[in-house]
Amino acid sequence: EAAVTQSPRNKVAVTGGKVTLSCNQTNNHNNMYWYRQDTGHGLRLIHYSYGAGSTEKGDIPDGYKASRPSQENFSLILELATPSQTSVYFCASGPGQLNERLFFGHGTKLSVL
Amino acid sequence: GQQVKQSSPSLTVQEGGISILNCDYENDMFDYFAWYKKYPDNSPTLLISVRSNVDKREDGRLTVFLNKSGKHFSLHITASQPEDTAVYLCAAGANTGYQNFYFGKGTSLTVIP
Repeated sequence: EAAVTQSPRNKVAVTGGKVTLSCNQTNNHNNMYWYRQDTGHGLRLIHYSYGAGSTEKGDIPDGYKASRPSQENFSLILELATPSQTSVYFCASGPGQLNERLFFGHGTKLSVL
Repeated sequence: GQQVKQSSPSLTVQEGGISILNCDYENDMFDYFAWYKKYPDNSPTLLISVRSNVDKREDGRLTVFLNKSGKHFSLHITASQPEDTAVYLCAAGANTGYQNFYFGKGTSLTVIP
């Protein structure tokens, strides 16, 4: 079974602080994604990557950066966290073909106070 | 605007009945449609998906119906069980070279014993 692991599972941050959310996948998938899920919204794409060294903006990238140092790891970085970034963040990986499933991590619950 | 819409935030069905979950989309270019299931505090997992070249796909108790002219697809769950109780997310996407699926807000299904 494909595995996507996120850390931390829960995070409390202060406004203006830096937050890094980490994601590791053992699927050897080329594509990785960061989504956020908020009440009243579906999953919304923040950043994605085609492979090591690549990062692309998704639909709501403002206030976020991403880093893909290797095939296995994809990080989401909040340089200056704001309360509006309080959310549940999901990382996912996929092989890069449209009709293939996405494999999601268990999510990171972030609270910015 | 919202690319994928689930108009019913919740649905309650009696055990043994049929659950019908609906999804509407806006983009004529979408050619891949999927349903994900999500339990609380857990990750979304793919239930069933279909390409635009078919209008129906069955897998056990699950059937996806696709109406491209109406930009609508639905998930039917027959013989609904209490373990079907979960949030169901619909997703749709187009072959842009990466798997950007637009997700609906989700429908919370409750199956009453």
